[in-house]
Amino acid sequence: DVKVTQSSRYLVKRTGEKVFLECVQDMDHENMFWYRQDPGLGLRLIYFSYDVKMKEKGDIPEGYSVSREKKERFSLILESASTNQTSMYLCASSPRWANYGYTFGSGTRLTVV
Amino acid sequence: AQSVTQPDIHITVSEGASLELRCNYSYGATPYLFWYVQSPGQGLQLLLKYFSGDTLVQGIKGFEAEFKRSQSSFNLRKPSVHWSDAAEYFCADNKIIFGKGTRLHILP
Repeated sequence: DVKVTQSSRYLVKRTGEKVFLECVQDMDHENMFWYRQDPGLGLRLIYFSYDVKMKEKGDIPEGYSVSREKKERFSLILESASTNQTSMYLCASSPRWANYGYTFGSGTRLTVV
Repeated sequence: AQSVTQPDIHITVSEGASLELRCNYSYGATPYLFWYVQSPGQGLQLLLKYFSGDTLVQGIKGFEAEFKRSQSSFNLRKPSVHWSDAAEYFCADNKIIFGKGTRLHILP
């Protein structure tokens, strides 16, 4: 069964910490995505990558960076975590042509205190 | 600008009743459209997708959706809901645009 795996289901971090959220897919997909999900706001795209070492900003990239050194892994980095980054973070992947839809991970609920 | 809109934030139906969740799109050409479901605390799961051809598409878990170009809609339907269908449902296109979701509540 194809999978997108997010390394943590729940994380609690302190304000100012550097936070790494990891996402791994085993489907040889070219595209990978990071979203955050907040009540009433739906899914908002933070960053996406369409190839190794390539990245594109989404709608809300401020305060985040990403890394894609290998095709299967896409990391989201919070350089200095703040309380307004408390959210559910969802990783997804798709083949190069996203017409087939996305496969999502189970999400990481991050709380910044 | 392209957009996908879900007009209803919450929908409540009784178990066994029929269901229709609305999705409207704004797109020049024929869009690629998807419905996803998210159970509490989980990621999103693809229910069904529309590319072209037959405007009525069947998905998993007994769901179907109909593409209507004249109404710019892609509504999700199910003839008889089960308590396990309580979840949040998202409409999306292939341009990485998601609707804001509709939360479905089921009354026993």
